[in-house]
Amino acid sequence: DSGVTQTPKHLITATGQRVTLRCSPRSGDLSVYWYQQSLDQGLQFLIQYYNGEERAKGNILERFSAQQFPDLHSELNLSSLELGDSALYFCASSTWDTPGRQPQHFGDGTRLSIL
Amino acid sequence: LAKTTQPISMDSYEGQEVNITCSHNNIATNDYITWYQQFPSQGPRFIIQGYKTKVTNEVASLFIPADRKSSTLSLPRVSLSDTAVYYCLVGGGVKAAGNKLTFGGGTRVLVKP
Repeated sequence: DSGVTQTPKHLITATGQRVTLRCSPRSGDLSVYWYQQSLDQGLQFLIQYYNGEERAKGNILERFSAQQFPDLHSELNLSSLELGDSALYFCASSTWDTPGRQPQHFGDGTRLSIL
Repeated sequence: LAKTTQPISMDSYEGQEVNITCSHNNIATNDYITWYQQFPSQGPRFIIQGYKTKVTNEVASLFIPADRKSSTLSLPRVSLSDTAVYYCLVGGGVKAAGNKLTFGGGTRVLVKP
């Protein structure tokens, strides 16, 4: 058990809709990362937050947004959903804001299916 | 942004050593190299991390040559439970905005009895 909790585990929705994925980081971790994993693109870094502030941005679409709240949980909002957004979305957490120098702890993901 | 390349798959047998090489030709000075293991329906799990030369822990070794344009994960004496997908991750050494993280495409390792 990594200590990172993601909800929901599965989400099925339709094109054009909006969804929110939630992540609770491991106790004591201040950084939260979001990743998208699809069959054709592999694991793609989306965005990182550290103690409530955006720290780094990867290949995150403008239709996607995220935030980290004062209690350190994070939400990833996906809007105007397209079929290509179907993927596994992972959240990870680490203690500091330099993920290269410490392990990231991953949740088990939210599987998003767009019909 | 570092582009990382790994072999798509490799087979091995129980008790053998498995070496997986990740190529990252345009790695930046501040980038670190991290390896993760992923089983089906689970999130990636940390294996080992390094910046240069050699790092060893209880489960693996990581070899990084002086030019840092590649890295090799070594799994000694693999067992059936080591069957998984292995990812290298480059980046994450800078405490600043814009610090990007790039995963390789993953190497599917199949350990046979």
